[in-house]
Amino acid sequence: DVKVTQSSRYLVKRTGEKVFLECVQDMDHENMFWYRQDPGLGLRLIYFSYDVKMKEKGDIPEGYSVSREKKERFSLILESASTNQTSMYLCASNTRGQGADTQYFGPGTRLTVL
Amino acid sequence: ILNVEQSPQSLHVQEGDSTNFTCSFPSSNFYALHWYRWETAKSPEALFVMTLNGDEKKKGRISATLNTKEGYSYLYIKGSQPEDSATYLCASGGGGNNRLAFGKGNQVVVIP
Repeated sequence: DVKVTQSSRYLVKRTGEKVFLECVQDMDHENMFWYRQDPGLGLRLIYFSYDVKMKEKGDIPEGYSVSREKKERFSLILESASTNQTSMYLCASNTRGQGADTQYFGPGTRLTVL
Repeated sequence: ILNVEQSPQSLHVQEGDSTNFTCSFPSSNFYALHWYRWETAKSPEALFVMTLNGDEKKKGRISATLNTKEGYSYLYIKGSQPEDSATYLCASGGGGNNRLAFGKGNQVVVIP
């Protein structure tokens, strides 16, 4: 059974804090993705990684960074959290195919920044 | 950024009724069309991936069709049940960069 796990389901942080969201997949997938989901906006891609230590900006990378030191783990970092980063964050992974490969999602982390 | 549109954004369906909704996407440079189901407090779960014009996929009471020439896909739910209540996400894209563009989703509530 494929599995993508995220470190927390709910997280509350204060403005200015550094926040780490962790994602781990056990499927040996090359690609990993971070999205955020906001009401009325759908899923938006923040960053993705197609290999260890490789990363590419998505559509809304401002205010975020990522780290991929091991194949199974992809971290999203909010260097200085702000209230407009309150959102649901979803991690996903898939194989290095040609885009017809299903993305497997984690359960999400609902982050609130006060 | 690909523009993927889903309609209607939300709908309420009586149990036992059938329903359908639409995903539209740019037909140029099309690669693949994905449908996911996202139930509350769960992970989005893949339903279908379609790549060829005219593709039809079915999973139980849910089916989907694809028209790549005009850039739309329909998702059908036959005989809706309360467990079908979820948000259905459509995504298009892929190709060499593996990136998907998601629509805003179709939120379905099945009323017992």
